[in-house]
Amino acid sequence: SQELEQSPQSLIVQEGKNLTINCTSSKTLYGLYWYKQKYGEGLIFLMMLQKGGEEKSHEKITAKLDEKKQQSSLHITASQPSHAGIYLCGADTRDDMRFGAGTRLTVKP
Amino acid sequence: DTAVSQTPKYLVTQMGNDKSIKCEQNLGHDTMYWYKQDSKKFLKIMFSYNNKELIINETVPNRFSPKSPDKAHLNLHINSLELGDSAVYFCASSQIGLAGPGDTQYFGPGTRLTVL
Repeated sequence: SQELEQSPQSLIVQEGKNLTINCTSSKTLYGLYWYKQKYGEGLIFLMMLQKGGEEKSHEKITAKLDEKKQQSSLHITASQPSHAGIYLCGADTRDDMRFGAGTRLTVKP
Repeated sequence: DTAVSQTPKYLVTQMGNDKSIKCEQNLGHDTMYWYKQDSKKFLKIMFSYNNKELIINETVPNRFSPKSPDKAHLNLHINSLELGDSAVYFCASSQIGLAGPGDTQYFGPGTRLTVL
């Protein structure tokens, strides 16, 4: 069974709309990483969260790790076509590091 | 300047062949990794090296053999390629390693391997 679940699998939004992507772990998270992947390119590191309740922002992207440290959400405000791509969460559970299946985001102009 | 580079970017080969993928990082990091991304975009760590020493060796066929000539390079050699080996392979590096809090991994652009 998947230890790291990402939802939704795909998302289509109109430009300017807000959106949220979730990442849920069955184990306690000691580090939660968010990445973005564009077709034909490598993974781009977005941000990392470690402490329960921690929240970080980069431009219009905000990520938060919940208090129990088993779920993270990535929120994009006023989406733009440049936000399109696959968003991937990666989790360090102390035993190993695994990644979610990704969320494919399409932003329609 | 490219931080983590991989060569080749694309690799198409016949089943049964032996091939290598090279990875180099110019960040001065101590730890390097190989990941395999399957068709469902799920990333799975294969190997991790710290200062040329193997520290993570997940359950992968022994046809896969990593080689680290120095801490800036981690190459992946694959013997007797099989159809199921087709995937995108990512190399990454970080300063401390997976045990270090706050450690950040930098990924290469990936190598798309297609086995015919």
